[in-house]
Amino acid sequence: QVQLVESGGGVVQPGGSLRLSCAASGFTFSSYGMHWVRQAPGKGLEWVAFIRYDGSNKYYADSVKGRFTISRDNSKNTLYLQMNSLRAEDTAVYYCAKDLRVTIFGVVITGAFDYWGQGTLVTVSS
Amino acid sequence: DIQMTQSPSSLSASVGDRVTITCRASQSISSYLNWYQQKPGKAPKLLIYAASSLQSGVPSRFSGSGSGTDFTLTISSLQPEDFATYYCQQSYSTLRTFGQGTKLEIK
Repeated sequence: QVQLVESGGGVVQPGGSLRLSCAASGFTFSSYGMHWVRQAPGKGLEWVAFIRYDGSNKYYADSVKGRFTISRDNSKNTLYLQMNSLRAEDTAVYYCAKDLRVTIFGVVITGAFDYWGQGTLVTVSS
Repeated sequence: DIQMTQSPSSLSASVGDRVTITCRASQSISSYLNWYQQKPGKAPKLLIYAASSLQSGVPSRFSGSGSGTDFTLTISSLQPEDFATYYCQQSYSTLRTFGQGTKLEIK
């Protein structure tokens, strides 16, 4: 069965850095795009970043562009999020999520998040 | 960025009720609309993708409809386990965005 397990969260001071990891199993990791989504305490969901299956393209929310970097190692079935210049407003639970890819009547449908990890908490505080 | 607006923000209903949640996009997104359910302390769960396709394992009391800018999630007969927060999300743009959420509470 599909499993996504995040790690690397913790407490960091404003301006600091942190790297999150997401270990994937139960599917062919190298065939699927992957996302990071976050949720601040008591707030809604915010999409953070997306990387294509082969790492060829990466996309970021405006709120993290230039500070966060998404990457992947397909040989290790692992997704990463390097977070630099952290701010208090980056405090959240960070989820990794697998991009859905299904074919219906010959049409490939992608873009939803069909599997999620359990999340890892990042707290930015002095 | 494409803005997603859900209504209502919260909703009280009883077991057995039929419930509808609405999601509106700031521009046309064709059928690139997905719905999620989230319970406290848990990761979100995909319910509906491509506006109306039921994700595997999701009960048939959940259904989705709409295209363009206006979409709905309907729960035909509320069950106790359905009380949760629901989010819509657009996948038309590579910069994905979520609605603000609709909290469904027990009346």
